[in-house]
Amino acid sequence: DTEVTQTPKHLVMGMTNKKSLKCEQHMGHRAMYWYKQKAKKPPELMFVYSYEKLSINESVPSRFSPECPNSSLLNLHLHALQPEDSALYLCASSQERGLEAFFGQGTRLTVV
Amino acid sequence: RKEVEQDPGPFNVPEGATVAFNCTYSNSASQSFFWYRQDCRKEPKLLMSVYSSGNEDGRFTAQLNRASQYISLLIRDSKLSDSATYLCVVIGFDTDKLIFGTGTRLQVFP
Repeated sequence: DTEVTQTPKHLVMGMTNKKSLKCEQHMGHRAMYWYKQKAKKPPELMFVYSYEKLSINESVPSRFSPECPNSSLLNLHLHALQPEDSALYLCASSQERGLEAFFGQGTRLTVV
Repeated sequence: RKEVEQDPGPFNVPEGATVAFNCTYSNSASQSFFWYRQDCRKEPKLLMSVYSSGNEDGRFTAQLNRASQYISLLIRDSKLSDSATYLCVVIGFDTDKLIFGTGTRLQVFP
């Protein structure tokens, strides 16, 4: 089973809203990732967690706040987003750092 | 220079054709290499890992050339269902980052 589950699949939020994206995997993977993908562009790395600790933050604005409550869950808290933050947000996991990653179906976010 | 570069295409090929994509990477210390496939408005899915000795999975063959710093993907006997964007992914030495190429779009027509 190589399943990574993301919720919600679609989200529309206003610029003053606070929302959270959720990601879950039960493969025992110890590395988890958040990526952002705009139309016709490749995924761009945002954050990497390894053994539940944040190991990489790719200079992401503070309006995006990641959280890893346990080894199976990864959240992305959103606050005061801008319309240009509208994108597909992808969660991925890998057994360890540096190994192939498996992606969830993504959350398609629209900021209005 | 981008870390991972691909020809964006599109490559338009008839069913049954053989098509090859290349991907170049700039960091000679890169250790792991993969090909992912992404359908329109879907998530990337792992197609295959790329090993130094090369590897084959059915109609798909991946090769790595460390001296020239490129990897390739060969698709034989193309099917309509092969139409997708193919993303080259490189992981550097001592890093957690999967670095994506821009992707190559393949369109297979009847």
